Amino acid sequence: QKEVEQNSGPLSVPEGAIASLNCTYSDRGSQSFFWYRQYSGKSPELIMFIYSNGDKEDGRFTAQLNKASQYVSLLIRDSQPSDSATYLCAALNQAGTALIFGKGTTLSVSS
Amino acid sequence: DGGITQSPKYLFRKEGQNVTLSCEQNLNHDAMYWYRQDPGQGLRLIYYSQIVNDFQKGDIAEGYSVSREKKESFPLTVTSAQKNPTAFYLCASSISAREPYNSPLHFGNGTRLTVT
Repeated sequence: QKEVEQNSGPLSVPEGAIASLNCTYSDRGSQSFFWYRQYSGKSPELIMFIYSNGDKEDGRFTAQLNKASQYVSLLIRDSQPSDSATYLCAALNQAGTALIFGKGTTLSVSS
Repeated sequence: DGGITQSPKYLFRKEGQNVTLSCEQNLNHDAMYWYRQDPGQGLRLIYYSQIVNDFQKGDIAEGYSVSREKKESFPLTVTSAQKNPTAFYLCASSISAREPYNSPLHFGNGTRLTVT
């Protein structure tokens, strides 16, 4: 069973701080990785995806991928209370046919 | 506006009854998916379909059935064989399941099913 693991949290950071969310995956054949944000009772929204080793930046968000360590992270700079949500990490399976999701990390940003 | 429509938003059923959840998309996406989410859990894949008239089981397909007669529609039936059907059900689509670099999922708003 291929898995994606995340620390469930909650991760608490003060407003303006950097939030660091981490994810590991077991399928070495996975090539693409996705971060989704999910507010309570709502459906997930795509934040960004990454498929090359290194960093990818989009506004306040930076995704980092290390395929050798099978590790993906998401950094949120200048965290805002509106960033308080559950963040889901997902890996595309080796066949490229479906996303495998982690259980999510709950982030709480206090003002 | 393009998007994915799931209906109804809330659904209540008695144990032993089959129930069908609707999912329609007008994004012209080839691939469609059904996920289930339980409280404090991630999304678990039930079924997915890459093209019309074809679908594959995901990790937790037992007790569920689907059809893909049209590109736009991918209904999910929760049968009485599903032991714990109460959950939040999410339908999603992507441009193509065969293009991993262009396959972010777009989700519908979900259906919350309660079976008593």
